[in-house]
Parts: sequence; C-alpha cells; structure tokens
Amino acid sequence: DGGITQSPKYLFRKEGQNVTLSCEQNLNHDAMYWYRQDPGQGLRLIYYSQIVNDFQKGDIAEGYSVSREKKESFPLTVTSAQKNPTAFYLCASSTALQGGTYGYTFGSGTRLTVV
Amino acid sequence: GEDVEQSLFLSVREGDSSVINCTYTDSSSTYLYWYKQEPGAGLQLLTYIFSNMDMKQDQRLTVLLNKKDKHLSLRIADTQTGDSAIYFCAGRGLTGGGNKLTFGTGTQLKVEL
Repeated sequence: DGGITQSPKYLFRKEGQNVTLSCEQNLNHDAMYWYRQDPGQGLRLIYYSQIVNDFQKGDIAEGYSVSREKKESFPLTVTSAQKNPTAFYLCASSTALQGGTYGYTFGSGTRLTVV
Repeated sequence: GEDVEQSLFLSVREGDSSVINCTYTDSSSTYLYWYKQEPGAGLQLLTYIFSNMDMKQDQRLTVLLNKKDKHLSLRIADTQTGDSAIYFCAGRGLTGGGNKLTFGTGTQLKVEL
C-alpha cells in the first residue's frame, strides 16, 4: 500500500543536540512538507520542497534544516539553534499539479520532547 | 497569503448534528478541504469542495461554501463518539505557488454521551 512513513514516533533530545526526523513516501509525489503542531496553534509550515534538490523556507524555518536528495525522502533536522523544539511534527506530501483536486497525504507524526 | 480561521472548541451530544465553521481571506481559493486529526495521529482528508460548488454531501458529511462571505462549514449528521477529534479546514489558492495549502487553527470537537 502506498503511504507516507514518519519515524520515530517518539524522540527525546537533550539540550544542545541536533536530531533528525525521517519522512519517506512511496506515493510518487513530487512535493513534500514539514509542519510543526503546538496545542491551540494549528499547523505551522517549516519547510517545503516541490522537486528533488530544491526546497523553500516556510513560516518558521529558523533552527531547522532539510534536504531533498531523493524524491521519496525529506528528512528534517532540528538543530540546537531551535530554542523550543518540543512539539508534534507532521510530514506531508502531494502531487505538484497546479490543477486537480489533490490535497495532502500526511504521515502519522513524530513527537519530539526536549529532556 | 491566505488566513484561515476557526473556532477552537465545539461540544455536542451523541446523535446531534455538529457544525464546524471556517472563514478564509483569499477569494482566489480554488479548493477547500476538511481534515480530521485523531489524538496522536496525522491528518486524514475527509472531503473537499471546489470553489464553483455551493454544497457537497458525502454520507454523514455536508460541506457548505459561501463564496460571498468566504465562509466554509462542515456538518456532521448523527455525530458519534468516534467523531471526537480536531477538524482542520484548509484552502489552496492561486497565490504562494505550487500546491501549498493554508490550514486553519483547528476545531476540537468533543462528543458527549
């Protein structure tokens, strides 16, 4: 079955550490996205990529980095520069068609906690 | 860019209808979506409506779109305890490039017995 997989489900980070969240899709989608979710604040866009080897900053990119070396993969690194990283992180993918009905397909999320 | 607003909470009794409301600012929005998020999970697409439609019905779900007022609603008939979740509306406009959606803040629906 096609889908989008995030791992790990739970992640703990010590102060000053970088951690990388994995996102893999086998839907042959061109575009991929990373969101951060905090209670009562909805979804905030961190980074997105519409094609391999290209990505753009979203609304809250500071303290995060991404890469898009393969169509299937869009890992997110939470760096030590991100001062408040505890949150639920969601990865999504979509076709890059301008027309059509396509929304996003979401992964099941990674909960990151600073310890 | 687009702004999308929702009320934060809604509480209904089991068997009643639920109506979740959403307002958006970008009049060029082509598609509008409703997603459901259960605790600790990702978002699941429930339904969508194209901007040239006023209404779309899919089993217990009815979506109403008022383009003049930029208002979108999701009605859930015969609400069940399994409908308890956070519901997000999202819009895709012609600005911003690509297929990027703008999400509302989400409405927490609580279904009481």
